[in-house]
Amino acid sequence: QQQVKQSPQSLIVQKGGISIINCAYENTAFDYFPWYQQFPGKGPALLIAIRPDVSEKKEGRFTISFNKSAKQFSLHIMDSQPGDSATYFCAAKDGTYKYIFGTGTRLKVLA
Amino acid sequence: DGGITQSPKYLFRKEGQNVTLSCEQNLNHDAMYWYRQDPGQGLRLIYYSQIVNDFQKGDIAEGYSVSREKKESFPLTVTSAQKNPTAFYLCASIPGGTNEKLFFGSGTQLSVL
Repeated sequence: QQQVKQSPQSLIVQKGGISIINCAYENTAFDYFPWYQQFPGKGPALLIAIRPDVSEKKEGRFTISFNKSAKQFSLHIMDSQPGDSATYFCAAKDGTYKYIFGTGTRLKVLA
Repeated sequence: DGGITQSPKYLFRKEGQNVTLSCEQNLNHDAMYWYRQDPGQGLRLIYYSQIVNDFQKGDIAEGYSVSREKKESFPLTVTSAQKNPTAFYLCASIPGGTNEKLFFGSGTQLSVL
């Protein structure tokens, strides 16, 4: 119930391509779904977040798609660049202070 | 500059030794967290604190201890009871109220000698 399942574990994309990372959850009490980007040896940084009352949110080249009925959400990175190579984590939070993180996706964008 | 400062960046522990990881924030955030990161396992919650002098165990609290004597500080002690302490440790905080954005420090890599 408390898990957030993330896939794929790793992803290789050509420069200019679309990177897609998926997450699924079970707990319907979750009401906040952020995505974090982490570079090696650094702490994660918030990339974009969504609440379940909207189906899509876009910020620049990054888009979250949210499917409430399927309990799934995904991150799309358009026009992927080598500088996007990092590890991406999805997360979910309910009304408490506790965040549940996915296991991460290591993205490599080839030049 | 406002932010979360973790120190040291790298730390080595000898067998049977307790070590303390420092986390200081000047963001005036209410809640603070400690996460452990292992390759392929994502971030796992060790402890969190919503207010001064109060903290709750996370999913993997065994072998760890914390204190929250000041709003700005949330140190984590890795005790000798933690048999597999090698990991990347991340401190985080959130402002509280309706702002749920989680801010992270730059992490401490702990290794066993």
